[in-house]
Amino acid sequence: AQTVTQSQPEMSVQEAETVTLSCTYDTSENNYYLFWYKQPPSRQMILVIRQEAYKQQNATENRFSVNFQKAAKSFSLKISDSQLGDTAMYFCAFKLSGTYKYIFGTGTRLKVLA
Amino acid sequence: ETGVTQTPRHLVMGMTNKKSLKCEQHLGHNAMYWYKQSAKKPLELMFVYSLEERVENNSVPSRFSPECPNSSHLFLHLHTLQPEDSALYLCASSQDPQTGDQETQYFGPGTRLLVL
Repeated sequence: AQTVTQSQPEMSVQEAETVTLSCTYDTSENNYYLFWYKQPPSRQMILVIRQEAYKQQNATENRFSVNFQKAAKSFSLKISDSQLGDTAMYFCAFKLSGTYKYIFGTGTRLKVLA
Repeated sequence: ETGVTQTPRHLVMGMTNKKSLKCEQHLGHNAMYWYKQSAKKPLELMFVYSLEERVENNSVPSRFSPECPNSSHLFLHLHTLQPEDSALYLCASSQDPQTGDQETQYFGPGTRLLVL
């Protein structure tokens, strides 16, 4: 069975600095997707970034980038130039290609300090 | 705004009440999902519908009853709930993973449910 682990329940970072959120997963499959979702205090979950396992290049979306280490089954999220609006819960998620089941971690609560 | 709406946003109900949660997506997706989100627990997938047919049912108690009349609408009918059912219920949609190449889910804002 697949699992997703986020070992940092809470983190904080100063505005304009960089922070990295950790995520590890376990699977014996080869074709899958990984996601980072953000859930601000208003509670609407939005996609931050996604990574296809078959792509070696790390995904990047503006200030957000991932460090995808397939052999180590690690998928960390780096937020550069942190902004107050980045304050939210961040969830790491895993999905096998062609299936309906998304598996989420327990989340990391990030607080950006002014 | 993700293109997925949910009503009501907040709901308080007694254990003997019957209520329904509604989800609507405006993204042209053909798969829809119900999740339960409780504090300090991972999101729990409850039901999945693809092209209006249920394709996943993860051992959810029968007091939760889903309905998908078309690919844009999804309901969760609630009856004789327990206090431990209090949680945030999230709806999501995506293209069907088995027919499309879009694997990303889009979430609604959720319904905060309190069972007294």
